[in-house]
Amino acid sequence: GAGVSQSPSNKVTEKGKDVELRCDPISGHTALYWYRQSLGQGLEFLIYFQGNSAPDKSGLPSDRFSAERTGGSVSTLTIQRTQQEDSAVYLCASSLDGLSGYTFGSGTRLTVV
Amino acid sequence: QQPVQSPQAVILREGEDAVINCSSSKALYSVHWYRQKHGEAPVFLMILLKGGEQKGHEKISASFNEKKQQSSLYLTASQLSYSGTYFCGTEGTGFQKLVFGTGTRLLVSP
Repeated sequence: GAGVSQSPSNKVTEKGKDVELRCDPISGHTALYWYRQSLGQGLEFLIYFQGNSAPDKSGLPSDRFSAERTGGSVSTLTIQRTQQEDSAVYLCASSLDGLSGYTFGSGTRLTVV
Repeated sequence: QQPVQSPQAVILREGEDAVINCSSSKALYSVHWYRQKHGEAPVFLMILLKGGEQKGHEKISASFNEKKQQSSLYLTASQLSYSGTYFCGTEGTGFQKLVFGTGTRLLVSP
């Protein structure tokens, strides 16, 4: 597609429920990243996929968080047993390679009530 | 380790210049610069690579001092559209994820 597509754009969930966030990167982009941004804060790295290599999961805050990337394209970030501190905007980005700028999606605003 | 940006915030009149700095405690391979407007996703401005030249487009340019592990973003003759939060992103080696800086809020007023 023309840009990075994320869905849903907004998600309100009850504490303790599981959520899935989807990212559809730009076609041909081998690198895919997940970041999250709390209100008024910076960008916190979560996970990075590069081609067929094992993902860099070093930013995942707990074992409640997991992500997969199927067929080198679409990625899903799953948060299990959501907590209020998980509330944030979850941003996905893709890049052509490790030397290119990132193109970010519009994000998913997650609110845990 | 998160790079530190300075200043944290700056207010300009239209037409004035500004410099935003990004410092890292680690050796850097590349520095990216992004601008994020309120409620929107960050937008890529430019990338500077180790051993590369100063980059620029229009009235926004940047430099990269590898020895000092610092980068600076120069905004010349600022326009209202320059308002937003600027983030630097750094990586220590190629083909790794970016670690983003603390951000600098820029407001350009008429």
